[in-house]
This record gives sequence, C-alpha cells and structure tokens, in this order.
Amino acid sequence: GAGVSQSPSNKVTEKGKDVELRCDPISGHTALYWYRQSLGQGLEFLIYFQGNSAPDKSGLPSDRFSAERTGGSVSTLTIQRTQQEDSAVYLCASSYRQAMNTEAFFGQGTRLTVV
Amino acid sequence: AQSVAQPEDQVNVAEGNPLTVKCTYSVSGNPYLFWYVQYPNRGLQFLLKYITGDNLVKGSYGFEAEFNKSQTSFHLKKPSALVSDSALYFCAVRDGEPGTYKYIFGTGTRLKVLA
Repeated sequence: GAGVSQSPSNKVTEKGKDVELRCDPISGHTALYWYRQSLGQGLEFLIYFQGNSAPDKSGLPSDRFSAERTGGSVSTLTIQRTQQEDSAVYLCASSYRQAMNTEAFFGQGTRLTVV
Repeated sequence: AQSVAQPEDQVNVAEGNPLTVKCTYSVSGNPYLFWYVQYPNRGLQFLLKYITGDNLVKGSYGFEAEFNKSQTSFHLKKPSALVSDSALYFCAVRDGEPGTYKYIFGTGTRLKVLA
C-alpha cells in the first residue's frame, strides 16, 4: 500500500480481555516502531523493530504487552488482560532504514478503549 | 540521553501573521531533528527534518525550521499562517544510542490560527 496501515481503527474491549493490534508498514521499510499516545499527551515509545528483531523493547509498560514482526513486514502488538489505563491511541510507524537521517511515516493509529 | 522540549502547550496566531512553534533539544552527538504535524483523529505527518548543512530547512505546506546550534533550538516557522494550519505539532530527535534508533518526541504544541 501507499502508506502505513493499521487495523482496527477503533477497538472497544472489556477489562481483562486480550487485544491484538495490527500494523502493515510501507513496503520495503525495514524499521518499524510502535508508540502510544494517551489523551492530550505526547508520544510514548513502546518498541522498535529492525527486520524481525526487536533491539529495543524498553518502552513496553509491562509484561502484558508484547509485539512481534514476521516476514520483515506485518507487526502485531498484543495486550493481555487489558486494563483501563491501557486506553490510548496506538501508533505504528515505519522507515526505509534505520539510518539517523531517515524520517518515519505513521499510520492513522488504533484507538483502544478499555471499559 | 537525547531529549526535546516544546515549552509552549498552545500558540495562538491570527491568520496571515507569521507563526513560530518552539523546540529545543539536547543530544550527545550530531542532532537529527524532525517536525511532525497531527490533525484531529489522524496519525502524524512528516513536515521537515534537519540533518546537516543549511540552518534553514524548508518543508511541506510552506513550513520551514531554523536550526540554531548555539541555542540548541529548532523552531518551526511559517511566514503567513492559515486557519488550516491549526493542529498539534511535534518536534522529535533521533536517539543514536547503539541498538536503538527510536524517535524521541516533545510533548507537542497546539497551534490555533484565528480567522
């Protein structure tokens, strides 16, 4: 596709349920990032992938959060046993390479609401 | 550690007037700086970046940014604001620490252009 695609665009889930958020990066982009944006807040880094490897998982808030990337393309962010504080917009971004001078392109995000 | 600061939560400007959105940075090496814009219910859109070279960087939608090494600033500017420029603006720096290339974002500045 032409841009980064995220699905679903909106997700409402009950507290305690597991959710999966999907990201399709721009074709050929080797680097992929997940961020979280809470209402009125800035962007919180979660995890970075280079290919299928995740050299930096330092932003994952707890062990309820995990992510994987397969085939150097699609990535899934999984949140187990969701809590109300997990409610946020989850943004995925990709960049052509990990070089410092490369900009990232963002998807439109998944708005997660835990009720 | 790398960081960016956006000292203003909100900036108001009259349509047709010049606008400035401020950003200061702290890096341990060469700075790689970016500006993004976020419209309501949308992901982030890349505006421009500073890598090296000219201190005045031109980007999308008539925006430009001025890199000032001595003041460690990278302020976003536009000579004549439009109502449609009203949005949330984020400054970012790349983290060059080995093993991570994440983007570190400021807290955002909401720009309101008044007709």
